[in-house]
Amino acid sequence: AQTVTQSQPEMSVQEAETVTLSCTYDTSESDYYLFWYKQPPSRQMILVIRQEAYKQQNATENRFSVNFQKAAKSFSLKISDSQLGDAAMYFCAYFGRWVQGAQKLVFGQGTRLTINP
Amino acid sequence: DGGITQSPKYLFRKEGQNVTLSCEQNLNHDAMYWYRQDPGQGLRLIYYSQIVNDFQKGDIAEGYSVSREKKESFPLTVTSAQKNPTAFYLCASKPGQGAYEQYFGPGTRLTVT
Repeated sequence: AQTVTQSQPEMSVQEAETVTLSCTYDTSESDYYLFWYKQPPSRQMILVIRQEAYKQQNATENRFSVNFQKAAKSFSLKISDSQLGDAAMYFCAYFGRWVQGAQKLVFGQGTRLTINP
Repeated sequence: DGGITQSPKYLFRKEGQNVTLSCEQNLNHDAMYWYRQDPGQGLRLIYYSQIVNDFQKGDIAEGYSVSREKKESFPLTVTSAQKNPTAFYLCASKPGQGAYEQYFGPGTRLTVT
């Protein structure tokens, strides 16, 4: 079974600085997707960024970028120029495209990010 | 506007009572999901449905039941058999078998005392 591990329960960063959140996963599949979701205090899950496993190029979305290391099964999220609105729980998630049955998202335990003004 | 709605936002029940959480989507998505979120944990899959009139157990289905009579609706019933029902419940949907991105509703906070 696939598993996702976020080893940092909490992180904090000064406003305008850069922070990196870590995520590792375990799978025997070769075709899959990885996601970072943000959950602010409203608790709405918001997709931040996605990465297709077959793409070598790291995904970027404005101030958010990932470092995808397929062989190491590592998928970290870098937030540049941190803003107060970035404060949230961040979840790493795995999606196995060709898994029989659920095609479900497997989530990590989350990292709570605090932005210090 | 297209989206997923969950109602109510907060729900309170007495122990021993069944309660049904609503999830409706107007995105014309085939697949729908129910997740449970507890403090300090990620989301765990309760039930999912890939087409109308079909649904499958997820990782923590015990004490829960669902139905999928309409494409746009996937209600979750928390039964009295669920030993620890107090949690935050999230509903999600995605277009179909080939799609990979799930869209989430705003969630329902259930408190059972």
